[in-house]
Amino acid sequence: AQSVTQLGSHVSVSEGALVLLRCNYSSSVPPYLFWYVQYPNQGLQLLLKYTSAATLVKGINGFEAEFKKSETSFHLTKPSAHMSDAAEYFCAVRLNFGNEKLTFGTGTRLTIIP
Amino acid sequence: NAGVTQTPKFQVLKTGQSMTLQCAQDMNHEYMSWYRQDPGMGLRLIHYSVGAGITDQGEVPNGYNVSRSTTEDFPLRLLSAAPSQTSVYFCASTSVAGSYNEQFFGPGTRLTVL
Repeated sequence: AQSVTQLGSHVSVSEGALVLLRCNYSSSVPPYLFWYVQYPNQGLQLLLKYTSAATLVKGINGFEAEFKKSETSFHLTKPSAHMSDAAEYFCAVRLNFGNEKLTFGTGTRLTIIP
Repeated sequence: NAGVTQTPKFQVLKTGQSMTLQCAQDMNHEYMSWYRQDPGMGLRLIHYSVGAGITDQGEVPNGYNVSRSTTEDFPLRLLSAAPSQTSVYFCASTSVAGSYNEQFFGPGTRLTVL
């Protein structure tokens, strides 16, 4: 079984400030981990994914995430927030073999303050 | 490619009515799934299919039926709608070839049950 916990349902940062969205996972086997972004009234779009290659993963729109096995974490960061980053962000986990099912966290809504 | 398409975009039902949410993909993906999104609960898996003729239950299957007669289509049926089924519904698909393919999401159907 696998699960994901996202700390903070709402995060606000100033434009130009660091964005840090937290995700911790639980998995009985080595996981694959994903971050998805959802803009208002749209579907989910993949930001980045960890698939057991490099532990630091770079995604679209300047986002990156680091897989830390010792901390069971996969936090999402961006050095400088932009107004267009305002959206809801979901962390998701799946088993690394033979199972396509994704388990999602409850989401973090990111607000950018001008 | 149109990707994953969903119809309708919006629907209002009365308690006890039935309806079918349509989902289609043109990427020849074997795996398709239905999620519901509720505030503060992230996305929860309703049903999924690993290929034509094969379906299985996810985390919250009660009140929903699915079938998969073709690779392209994966309709979700509500036989007797209840207010608890008011939600946003997302369909997703992915290829099972390879071990870490992303899931592609449709734009969603916003359902209100009165």
